[in-house]
Amino acid sequence: DVHMTQSPSSLSASVGDRVTITCRASQSIRNFLAWYQQKPGKAPKRLIYAASSLQSGVPSRFSGSASGTEFTLTISSLQPEDFATYYCLQHNSYPYTFGQGTKLEIK
Amino acid sequence: EVQLVESGGALVQPGGSLRLSCVASEFTFSAFWMNWVRQAPGKGLEWVASIKQDGSDKYYVDSVKGRFTISRDNAKNSLYLQMNSLRAEDTATYYCARGRNIEDYWGQGTLVTVSS
Repeated sequence: DVHMTQSPSSLSASVGDRVTITCRASQSIRNFLAWYQQKPGKAPKRLIYAASSLQSGVPSRFSGSASGTEFTLTISSLQPEDFATYYCLQHNSYPYTFGQGTKLEIK
Repeated sequence: EVQLVESGGALVQPGGSLRLSCVASEFTFSAFWMNWVRQAPGKGLEWVASIKQDGSDKYYVDSVKGRFTISRDNAKNSLYLQMNSLRAEDTATYYCARGRNIEDYWGQGTLVTVSS
C-alpha cells in the first residue's frame, strides 16, 4: 500500500501569508495526486488534480507542484475563507490513501 | 447540477448490518466509477471502496474486506454499500463520490454510528 505522509498536521497563519503543505508518497504515484479542502460539516472540495492542475472555479492563489514522490500545495496569499483542513489523496493504485490532513488556523 | 444524495445512516449495534444508498442525478451515472469515502468523528478521510461503471471491478480498503460490499444499479442511478458485522471503528460519516479519480462531486454524507 502507498503511505502518504502529510505535513504539517496543523499550521497557524495570517491573512496574506504564503503557506505550503507537503505530502510525501512512500513509492511512486506518478502524478496521481489530488488536494482537497474541507470545512467543518461539509464534504471535501477538490482544489488540485493531477498534482498541479487547478480545478475549475478554484482561485489561482492555489497551486500544486511535484518533485518525485514529494507533492506540495501552495496558497500564495491566504484569504479568510481559506482557513480549513487540507488533504492530499493518491489515486495511482488501490487502496487509495489520503494524507492525515493539515488544519490551517488563523494566527 | 450534479447531485449525489446519500441515505441509510443510523445507530446500529456492534455486529449489526446497514445498507447505505447514494442516488445520483444530472449526469450519466453508468459512465462513471463510483466510490465510498468515510470520516470518523474528528478524524481524517479514509477511502473505503470503489466500483467500476458496470460493476465488474470492485476494490476495498483492507479493514472492510469481507464485511462490506459495494454495488450499483445503473437503471436506478444508485450506488450502495452493504455493511455487515459492524464495529465501533466503522462509526463515521460516509460519503459517496464520483469518478475513478474521486472528482469534485461528493454527497453531503450520511452518519453511521455503531454503538450498544
